[in-house]
Formats: sequence, C-alpha cells, structure tokens
Amino acid sequence: KNQVEQSPQSLIILEGKNCTLQCNYTVSPFSNLRWYKQDTGRGPVSLTIMTFSENTKSNGRYTATLDADTKQSSLHITASQLSDSASYICVVSAKTGANNLFFGTGTRLTVIP
Amino acid sequence: KAGVTQTPRYLIKTRGQQVTLSCSPISGHRSVSWYQQTPGQGLQFLFEYFSETQRNKGNFPGRFSGRQFSNSRSEMNVSTLELGDSALYLCASSLINGERETQYFGPGTRLLVL
Repeated sequence: KNQVEQSPQSLIILEGKNCTLQCNYTVSPFSNLRWYKQDTGRGPVSLTIMTFSENTKSNGRYTATLDADTKQSSLHITASQLSDSASYICVVSAKTGANNLFFGTGTRLTVIP
Repeated sequence: KAGVTQTPRYLIKTRGQQVTLSCSPISGHRSVSWYQQTPGQGLQFLFEYFSETQRNKGNFPGRFSGRQFSNSRSEMNVSTLELGDSALYLCASSLINGERETQYFGPGTRLLVL
C-alpha cells in the first residue's frame, strides 16, 4: 500500500535553532518527492521537488535530502525564524496508477522567540 | 504574474445543498488539480484536469465533480452536501502535469456545511 508518514507530528523550537523533519514513504514506483510549507489558512507553497537521482536540494534555509534506497527524506531548517511556523507536508508521486500523488499528514512546526 | 485564485474564499451551506467552487490557474498553466484538506485526513486528491479533460481522479463519491474550460479555469461542484464535506478545498495549477512539475496552490475555499 502506498503511504507517506511524517514525523514528528508537531514540533516546537526556539528561534535561531535548527530542526529536521522526517518523511518515510512506501510509494512505488517512485517518481518524485516534494516538500510544501503551508501557513495557517493559506494554500501550500512548494519548497523543493526531487527526483530519484537527486539526494539533496536546497531552497534558502531549507535543505531537503532523499535516500531512495531506504525511502526516506528529511527537511532541514537552519537558523529558524518565527515565519517558519507552519505545517510542512511531504508529497510523493508515483509513476503509475490512477491516483499518483500521496500526501503525508504534515508536521506542525512552531518557532517561539 | 498573478497566482492561483479561488472564489469564494469562504462559504457556509446546509446539508443537502449543492456548491460550486471556482479556480483560475496561473496564466499559461493548463493542468488544474483539486484537493480536499481536513484536520483529520490531511490533503486528499480529488481530480486533475488538463485541456478540458479529466485526466486523473481520486477516491471520492460521484457527488464531487468538476470541469475545466477552454481558458483553463476550473470549477468544482459538490451536490447533496454532507456535514463531512466541511473542509478547505484547494486548487493547484501547473504547466502540464501536476505529478511531474511544481504545483502552485491557491489560498483555498473554506466550506462549512451546517
């Protein structure tokens, strides 16, 4: 069964600290993996999209890694800011099938001063 | 370039009614996907349209339908509303294929069914 699991479910960190969010998936055959940031009351915004051959991709203070062998991805946030407070959603795309996008339920990150 | 727009932003309906939501994609984008987001289930895929044709469909009942116009604008319709349909409905656009490319989401329509 194609699934995407994220951990932790929620996280509180101090401003300026780093954090890492995890995404494990069982989606097969794998096409790509995306990380989205969703502020409360707004639509998700794409942070990174990685294909099988990419194992690291950065977007400013956000760095995503992908291990296609172990089917794991992480999103590392460096020097967190209050504006990083949001839900982070991992989405994995499969190459075949009628419904090809599989969503994690997200990690709720709160950055406190 | 203007982003994805959705109207209305908020909607209150009662059980049994029907509702139509609208989505205007980013100019030049031809793929439009719809998602339902609830606190318990997270984001769930409804359907994807490309060049006025439904290309992909999620596991939702037939009460949920959609269409896409020649200008790529899309509408989603939910008939015979149920309490469980209360959710944030998100529309996302991409150039050709939302499964291969970055999708750009609109702000969503928050639907409350009483």
